[in-house]
Amino acid sequence: EVQLLESGGGLVQPGGSLRLSCAGSGFTFSTYAMSWVRQAPGKGLEWVSGISVRAGSTYYADSVKGRFTFSRDNSKNTVYLQMNSLRAEDTAVYYCAKNVRGSIDAFDIWGQGTMVTVSS
Amino acid sequence: SYVLTQPPSVSVAPGQTATVTCGGNNIGSKSVHWYQQKPGQAPVLVVYDDSDRPSGIPERFSGSNSGNTATLTISRVEAGDEADYYCQVWDSSSDHYVLFGGGTKLTVL
Repeated sequence: EVQLLESGGGLVQPGGSLRLSCAGSGFTFSTYAMSWVRQAPGKGLEWVSGISVRAGSTYYADSVKGRFTFSRDNSKNTVYLQMNSLRAEDTAVYYCAKNVRGSIDAFDIWGQGTMVTVSS
Repeated sequence: SYVLTQPPSVSVAPGQTATVTCGGNNIGSKSVHWYQQKPGQAPVLVVYDDSDRPSGIPERFSGSNSGNTATLTISRVEAGDEADYYCQVWDSSSDHYVLFGGGTKLTVL
C-alpha cells in the first residue's frame, strides 16, 4: 500500500523551530517529487514547499521563503521540513504529498497531516 | 500574481450533475488538477492534467479546461460527493509556483 506518514508536529512558541518528517512506503520514493501543503483551521489549502527528484531543485512559497527548508533523504525514503522563526500564521495542519511524477505537478498521495500550533 | 477563482458554494440534488469552475487568466494553457476534501480528512486527487482520473476514481468525475475556465463535472451526484473541491495549477511564472483555488463547498440537497 502506498503510504505517507508525517511526524513532528506540536505546540511551539512564536520565533521557535520545529522539524517535520514524512516517511514514504509502497512506492519507489526516489523517483517522485514531494511537497508540503498546509491548511489553517477553517481555511483552504496552501502549498508550502516542493522538492523535485533532483534534490537541488527546491521551491518555496513566498510566505515561508527564508524561514523553512525542505530536504529529502532517499536512502531513508523520508522528506523533512525544517521550520524556523515560526509565526502565529504558520499554525495549520501540514500535509506531506507525493507528486504524480518527478516534477512538481498533481499530488496523488497525501499523508494524514500533522498539526503545528504556534502560540505563546 | 496568478489567481485561481472558484465559487464558494455549489448545490445540487442527488442524481443531477454538478459543475465546479476554476477561473484563471488563460488557464487553458496550464494543467489543472482537482481535489476532493471531506471534513477531517486529507484531500484526494480526483482529476489531474485537466481530464485524467487516478485509478479508483469513478467515471462520474470528469474535467475540462479551455480559455479562462477549467471545469470539474460530477455526474449522477451522490450524497457521498458532498465535500470541498479545490483546483490547483503549477505556475512557473509566479513566485508561488503551486496555486490552489479558494475551494468550493459542494452541497447535495
